[in-house]
Amino acid sequence: AQSVTQLGSHVSVSEGALVLLRCNYSSSVPPYLFWYVQYPNQGLQLLLKYTSAATLVKGINGFEAEFKKSETSFHLTKPSAHMSDAAEYFCAVSDEGGGSQGNLIFGKGTKLSVKP
Amino acid sequence: DAGITQSPRHKVTETGTPVTLRCHQTENHRYMYWYRQDPGHGLRLIHYSYGVKDTDKGEVSDGYSVSRSKTEDFLLTLESATSSQTSVYFCAIRKGQGRTNTGELFFGEGSRLTVL
Repeated sequence: AQSVTQLGSHVSVSEGALVLLRCNYSSSVPPYLFWYVQYPNQGLQLLLKYTSAATLVKGINGFEAEFKKSETSFHLTKPSAHMSDAAEYFCAVSDEGGGSQGNLIFGKGTKLSVKP
Repeated sequence: DAGITQSPRHKVTETGTPVTLRCHQTENHRYMYWYRQDPGHGLRLIHYSYGVKDTDKGEVSDGYSVSRSKTEDFLLTLESATSSQTSVYFCAIRKGQGRTNTGELFFGEGSRLTVL
């Protein structure tokens, strides 16, 4: 069964610093991979997705992620953090082999804090 | 805007009472999902639907039932609420199917349920 592991439940960076949020997945089939962002008291918003095209995926708000099959990783990065990036981030993998017809398997989330 | 409306957005109830949460979509998509979000657990699938009157269980379905009598509405019912069901509940839809499906889910704003 597919699973997702996000390393670090809390990450704190200074404004202008590099943001790196880590995600590793397990999947028996070529996966679709996603990063979502959740601002306080809101729903989840798609940041970016990997669907077997280019391995470096660019998303909204300056974020990007690189699919590395050999490392089973899909880490999220942003070169320069902004105060508005403070939120919770979720990595997810498509449950294509689990019989749930399009369900996504989510990691436990990483809360990003940005210090002035 | 994914055209998803959840109601109620906030509810406080007592142990043992029935509760129904409603998810309404405006775009007639086939697949709909109910997740719950809890700190340290990310999002976990409760039930999903792949058409009118077609539903199936997810990872954490015990204590929950669902119904879908119309394409646009997906109801989640707690027959007898317990304190362990205090959570934030999210409805999601998947747009497209087959070649038009790129795998991502679109989420509603959430329903915060407190069971006392």
